[in-house]
Amino acid sequence: QQQVKQSPQSLIVQKGGIPIINCAYENTAFDYFPWYQQFPGKGPALLIAIRPDVSEKKEGRFTISFNKSAKQFSLHIMDSQPGDSATYFCAASKGYSTLTFGKGTMLLVSP
Amino acid sequence: GAVVSQHPSWVICKSGTSVKIECRSLDFQATTMFWYRQFPKQSLMLMATSNEGSKATYEQGVEKDKFLINHASLTLSTLTVTSAHPEDSSFYICSALTDNYGYTFGSGTRLTVV
Repeated sequence: QQQVKQSPQSLIVQKGGIPIINCAYENTAFDYFPWYQQFPGKGPALLIAIRPDVSEKKEGRFTISFNKSAKQFSLHIMDSQPGDSATYFCAASKGYSTLTFGKGTMLLVSP
Repeated sequence: GAVVSQHPSWVICKSGTSVKIECRSLDFQATTMFWYRQFPKQSLMLMATSNEGSKATYEQGVEKDKFLINHASLTLSTLTVTSAHPEDSSFYICSALTDNYGYTFGSGTRLTVV
């Protein structure tokens, strides 16, 4: 049973566009929701993370929106650039237990 | 920030041999480390959780005798793939847990068994 569902599987946007990646979780005990960026042949790198006591968090061009009642959270990338082309994973955990990952979204930002 | 160094970045080995992958926390002590496996265009699959000084906890379906994990110190965890076969070819990634920085991932190891 997949506990974190991520969509879309792939996404193509033009430079300057705002790609949005969505995740939905089932376990209401989750209290840590990070987003990771992964380039081919590299390990994931933490982009931004949120806890359920806030509805939005912004760091640079990356914004997480969190809807606790709907059990959903999303990543927005403002003014996307070709260098943002990568695979993005959402994840969730309860405290500092193991992370549960979404299946990933391959983002391509065209010049 | 926290840095996790993983070596080697890639390795090619012959079928039947063993390969060791190292994961080091460079500027912090990691009491808990995780090992993941990732197939092309797929998500990370947790293999095991290791705590310093104790036996690793393996996820269901992961062969303990094939994937040996040692976490002998607070800065080093190793994954040894024993008697490797072509189906073990994959991208292996370690992660360390810190109180201040959450989960930090290594750069991964591409294992190819020929």
